[in-house]
Amino acid sequence: TQLLEQSPQFLSIQEGENLTVYCNSSSVFSSLQWYRQEPGEGPVLLVTVVTGGEVKKLKRLTFQFGDARKDSSLHITAAQPGDTGLYLCAGSTYSGAGSYQLTFGKGTKLSVIP
Amino acid sequence: DTAVSQTPKYLVTQMGNDKSIKCEQNLGHDTMYWYKQDSKKFLKIMFSYNNKELIINETVPNRFSPKSPDKAHLNLHINSLELGDSAVYFCASSRQGREQYFGPGTRLTVT
Repeated sequence: TQLLEQSPQFLSIQEGENLTVYCNSSSVFSSLQWYRQEPGEGPVLLVTVVTGGEVKKLKRLTFQFGDARKDSSLHITAAQPGDTGLYLCAGSTYSGAGSYQLTFGKGTKLSVIP
Repeated sequence: DTAVSQTPKYLVTQMGNDKSIKCEQNLGHDTMYWYKQDSKKFLKIMFSYNNKELIINETVPNRFSPKSPDKAHLNLHINSLELGDSAVYFCASSRQGREQYFGPGTRLTVT
């Protein structure tokens, strides 16, 4: 069974601060995805990283995939209250019949205080 | 237009009942999924299904069964509901699993 360890589990910071969320595994993934989930809604895809060492930026969010494709990080610069939510990382592995499956981390609940 | 929709949004029922949750996607995707999110927000895959194969997570009780009338729909049927089945159930779809798009979830409460 593949596991994704996400840390920290909870994070409460002041508006304007920077933060990093980590996602680690002993398994290699074909790609890794980050999702954000707000209360009462389904997860929404933020980014997919595919190549080892890849860095992607989405406004104030920076995503990095580890060189060995086993870990990833999400860095938020100058956090804002609108960034509040549950951040989930998910590793993709081939499951056969042309399909891939996602294994999710347990999530990081971020609260940004105005 | 809603990409992945689920009905109902909320479902309250008694132990022992049988219930179904419906899911539809209008994205033209070939693979659909059901996930269970527990009270600690952990998302766990239950099923993935495309027109070729149903892949079942071995930890899912056989009281749970996915039913797909066509490529755009994957319904979840649950027999003999138990208290421990209370959770939020999410449907998702993808084109071969590359990026998954989730529905809004169905909060199931078993009393």
